[in-house]
Amino acid sequence: DGGITQSPKYLFRKEGQNVTLSCEQNLNHDAMYWYRQDPGQGLRLIYYSQIVNDFQKGDIAEGYSVSREKKESFPLTVTSAQKNPTAFYLCASMLLTGRGNTEAFFGQGTRLTVV
Amino acid sequence: DAKTTQPNSMESNEEEPVHLPCNHSTISGTDYIHWYRQLPSQGPEYVIHGLTSNVNNRMASLAIAEDRKSSTLILHRATLRDAAVYYCILRASGAGSYQLTFGKGTKLSVIP
Repeated sequence: DGGITQSPKYLFRKEGQNVTLSCEQNLNHDAMYWYRQDPGQGLRLIYYSQIVNDFQKGDIAEGYSVSREKKESFPLTVTSAQKNPTAFYLCASMLLTGRGNTEAFFGQGTRLTVV
Repeated sequence: DAKTTQPNSMESNEEEPVHLPCNHSTISGTDYIHWYRQLPSQGPEYVIHGLTSNVNNRMASLAIAEDRKSSTLILHRATLRDAAVYYCILRASGAGSYQLTFGKGTKLSVIP
């Protein structure tokens, strides 16, 4: 079955540690995205990538880093520079056709807690 | 980016129809209207999309105003499983087709 998988589902981090969230898709989608969601809030874009080996900052990229070495993988690293990392993180992928009629697929999310 | 405006929250009785509104007065001619919903503690899922004509699928119907400045997602019979946050977003065609921007959506509560 094709889909998008995030792991782990729950993650605990000590202050001052970097942590990497995994996102893998087997849908052959061009674009991948990372969002952060705080309680009761909408989705805020952290980073996105339209093609392998290229990515762009979203609205809240400070304290985060990404890589896109393979089409199917887009890991997100939450660095110690991110002052308030506790949140729900969502990864998405989408086929790009030049038209706005393709749907995005989301993973089930990773809930990160700083302890 | 073309923006959308939705009410923060709505309530519906179970088994009654629900009409979720969305305003997008700055929509361009090639922007598609998409709806997603997010169940608690899950990732959003696609519901429906349209360009100009009304659309129906197994989950919902999408009614698009003639001037395309507003649209309405219609759930024909609300169930408790429909309680979720519903997002209305615009997807551009052309160079901006990669853009995938979400607002805060409408939180739908379904009353038994």
